[in-house]
Amino acid sequence: DAGVTQSPTHLIKTRGQHVTLRCSPISGHKSVSWYQQVLGQGPQFIFQYYEKEERGRGNFPDRFSARQFPNYSSELNVNALLLGDSALYLCASKTGPSSYEQYFGPGTRLTVT
Amino acid sequence: AQSVTQLDSHVSVSEGTPVLLRCNYSSSYSPSLFWYVQHPNKGLQLLLKYTSAATLVKGINGFEAEFKKSETSFHLTKPSAHMSDAAEYFCVVSVSSAAGNKLTFGGGTRVLVKP
Repeated sequence: DAGVTQSPTHLIKTRGQHVTLRCSPISGHKSVSWYQQVLGQGPQFIFQYYEKEERGRGNFPDRFSARQFPNYSSELNVNALLLGDSALYLCASKTGPSSYEQYFGPGTRLTVT
Repeated sequence: AQSVTQLDSHVSVSEGTPVLLRCNYSSSYSPSLFWYVQHPNKGLQLLLKYTSAATLVKGINGFEAEFKKSETSFHLTKPSAHMSDAAEYFCVVSVSSAAGNKLTFGGGTRVLVKP
């Protein structure tokens, strides 16, 4: 079975630009979460989605938004990029919001210059 | 609120010797606890999980962890380190809410294994 997939793997953007990151969950998984991992730190929770609805949001500014599609794939959007947004963005999927076990994708490395 | 503190940012061991990674947690509710491993340029992989069953939890690749409520600890151990264990390890706490389970990660412990 395919694991969680994310695209692109690497991305370089300029300050002020907008970026869209994509995630496809494991087949049968209906919940997707997004995490930001700054170099040298542990991942920080950004969003959780289940059945196309936002189920949780971390302490991130409104420049960060996400959505989930009918096929359970998800997009993370970041507007007005700042240098501090440079990080590894991880997507994780699980069967439902109350499931404990999350499966992570390899991440998208975003560099903002 | 919940939080996780990994007491060592770096641990260096020799191949074949025991590994101990220390983790303390803080949670207002009964937590679920996890250890994840992250190899360079790879995604996070679940090593083991505690979800209020047995306090000694066995995971993959010979790792195990013991939940001690009185000490609010969930230390990860392995009797004999292998070169392939060199990676970053994250202790994670999850608390259930109406919105589901949100993971809170510790800062990570980088493990170096010397031949």
